[in-house]
Amino acid sequence: DAGITQSPRHKVTETGTPVTLRCHQTENHRYMYWYRQDPGHGLRLIHYSYGVKDTDKGEVSDGYSVSRSKTEDFLLTLESATSSQTSVYFCAIGGRTGLEQYFGPGTRLTVT
Amino acid sequence: QKEVEQNSGPLSVPEGAIASLNCTYSDRGSQSFFWYRQYSGKSPELIMFIYSNGDKEDGRFTAQLNKASQYVSLLIRDSQPSDSATYLCAVNNGGSNYKLTFGKGTLLTVNP
Repeated sequence: DAGITQSPRHKVTETGTPVTLRCHQTENHRYMYWYRQDPGHGLRLIHYSYGVKDTDKGEVSDGYSVSRSKTEDFLLTLESATSSQTSVYFCAIGGRTGLEQYFGPGTRLTVT
Repeated sequence: QKEVEQNSGPLSVPEGAIASLNCTYSDRGSQSFFWYRQYSGKSPELIMFIYSNGDKEDGRFTAQLNKASQYVSLLIRDSQPSDSATYLCAVNNGGSNYKLTFGKGTLLTVNP
C-alpha cells in the first residue's frame, strides 16, 4: 500500500462534530472506494468514485458524503458523527490494471 | 441482496498441512473473484484473483473456481505460522463490475 495513504490514522471525536477523512493515491487509479469494517459485518462499501467529480453510493452511505476534486484525492465526510460510526475506515483504489482493489492502511475512528 | 458466505472459523491446521478456505456467492452474474489476507490490525492485502473456471496457482496458493456451483476456494499448501490471518473472499457485482462484495472472512490459525 505504498501508493495509497490515509489521514488521519487515528481520530477520536465527539458526537455531533463533523469529521473528514482523506485518501491520497499516487497510482493514477480511476476508481477509489471508502469502506468501513466492523466486527460481525465485514467490509461494507460506503461510497465510491469512478472519476473526478463522479461518485456513487454504496450499501451503507447514510450519514456520509464524499468528494473527489482531483484524481489522487478522495474525501469522506461524516457531517455529524454518531457513535454508530465508530469503525475502521479503509480506502481502496482500483481500475488501472483490472477489477482488483488495493487497500490503504486504514483510519480508526472513535466517536464518543 | 448480493451475498458472499464464508465459514468464520477459526480454522486450525498444523504447520506444513494444506489449509482449505471456502466461499459461496449468490450473484450468478459475478465474473471476478478475489482472495485477500488480513492480519490483525492491518489492512486487507490482495493475494489471488481468478476469473475463469478451474484452478489458478501462485506459489503455495491455489484458487479454485466453479461458477456452476457458485463456489470459490483457496488452498494454502505447506501452511506456515505466518499464514495465520483472516482470509476475505470478494466477488464483483455482476451489474457493476468495479464494485466488490466481501465475505466476513475466515480466521486461519497455523499451529507450529
